[in-house]
Amino acid sequence: QQQVKQSPQSLIVQKGGISIINCAYENTAFDYFPWYQQFPGKGPALLIAIRPDVSEKKEGRFTISFNKSAKQFSLHIMDSQPGDSATYFCAAPDPSNSGYALNFGKGTSLLVTP
Amino acid sequence: NAGVTQTPKFQVLKTGQSMTLQCAQDMNHNSMYWYRQDPGMGLRLIYYSASEGTTDKGEVPNGYNVSRLNKREFSLRLESAAPSQTSVYFCASSIRQASSGNTIYFGEGSWLTVV
Repeated sequence: QQQVKQSPQSLIVQKGGISIINCAYENTAFDYFPWYQQFPGKGPALLIAIRPDVSEKKEGRFTISFNKSAKQFSLHIMDSQPGDSATYFCAAPDPSNSGYALNFGKGTSLLVTP
Repeated sequence: NAGVTQTPKFQVLKTGQSMTLQCAQDMNHNSMYWYRQDPGMGLRLIYYSASEGTTDKGEVPNGYNVSRLNKREFSLRLESAAPSQTSVYFCASSIRQASSGNTIYFGEGSWLTVV
């Protein structure tokens, strides 16, 4: 099973600041590393994902940075807004099921203060 | 286009009772999943179905059974509920694409309490 370690567990950022969440994984055999965003009472929703053949992917205020040699990837939220307050999960494909399912980190609870 | 639909949304069971969580997707996805979410534990895979006609165990399958009824539907059954199965259950589906990998889409969740 692919272990996915996520940090920090919780994060408080002022409006307009940069939120950074980190994730480390073990197995590089697969091709897809996503971040999910979850609001209270809702299911996780795909936020942004990266393939390991690129080092960075940006979508609006959200950027994934990928370091294949260190087996790490991170989520940066630029100009953080109160509406970004949610729980964020990184994930990596599980080699024990041929990468069909994702293994998730334990989540980071982000609070953006006004 | 509803995506992934789960029923029921809320359920309270007594220890030892059985119940089935229903899930259906309308995105013509090949693969379907059941995850559970507990505080501080993230999302853990219970069972998955890579394609119609196949099911496999995930990380935490004990106490659960699944049925892939057809391409659209994937149900999760608790035969004899235990308090340790109090959790939020998420059904999900995915399709593997060369350009974007195996994108998983989640339902809204089913809150289950076993007393």
